[in-house]
Amino acid sequence: SYELTQPPSVSVSPGQTVSITCSGDKLGDKDACWFQQKPGQSPVLVIYQYTRRPSGIPERFSGSNSGNTATLTISGTQAMDEADYYCQAWDSSTVVFGGGTKLTVL
Amino acid sequence: QVQVVQSGAEVKKPGASVKVSCKAVGYTFTGYYVHWVRQAPGQGLEWMGWINPNSGVTKFAQKFQGRVTMTSDTSINTANMELSRLRSDDSAVYYCVRQDRIRGTHVYYMDLWGKGTTVTVSS
Repeated sequence: SYELTQPPSVSVSPGQTVSITCSGDKLGDKDACWFQQKPGQSPVLVIYQYTRRPSGIPERFSGSNSGNTATLTISGTQAMDEADYYCQAWDSSTVVFGGGTKLTVL
Repeated sequence: QVQVVQSGAEVKKPGASVKVSCKAVGYTFTGYYVHWVRQAPGQGLEWMGWINPNSGVTKFAQKFQGRVTMTSDTSINTANMELSRLRSDDSAVYYCVRQDRIRGTHVYYMDLWGKGTTVTVSS
């Protein structure tokens, strides 16, 4: 079965830029998305099709894709960005999630 | 307001079944697939499957084949997910999620999540 790999945790200082990676075989063909989930809340879509940002998502969130790796970048990170982040891909009409990355804003 | 409204928390005994419902509010129910995703306490997101509410066609994760049923009732704009033969490790928050797509393409994304339904399986 298809798998996505994310680092378990990442930390960043307020105001700095942080990147979270998601790797998987031929991920560049699978329209990766990113979700943010804060404690006790439902996930929120922050990036779809690698780079597109839904309305209402701040511009500091951006995404990129390079072959087997999708990357979520947060520029000028704020304390409110502390959350779990999940990548997601589409594989043969099924959905696959990465294991999630806990972002700590120190 | 566009949203999906899920049914309330459930407590079930091992071996029983649970049915969770998801009502579409503020949009055309039959125009969007519905996914079910669950999250065990302290764990990540786990995809269970999807249903096309218009046709009733479904697709399930292999892990849940034979144990999950997904249905839709277009008269009340509601999708349902039933999980049978419950075990303690089925205790989780179950989310209903709408799937949208970029117009004119086959690029999909899950854009609207319910608040989740907590299912507790305990003897």
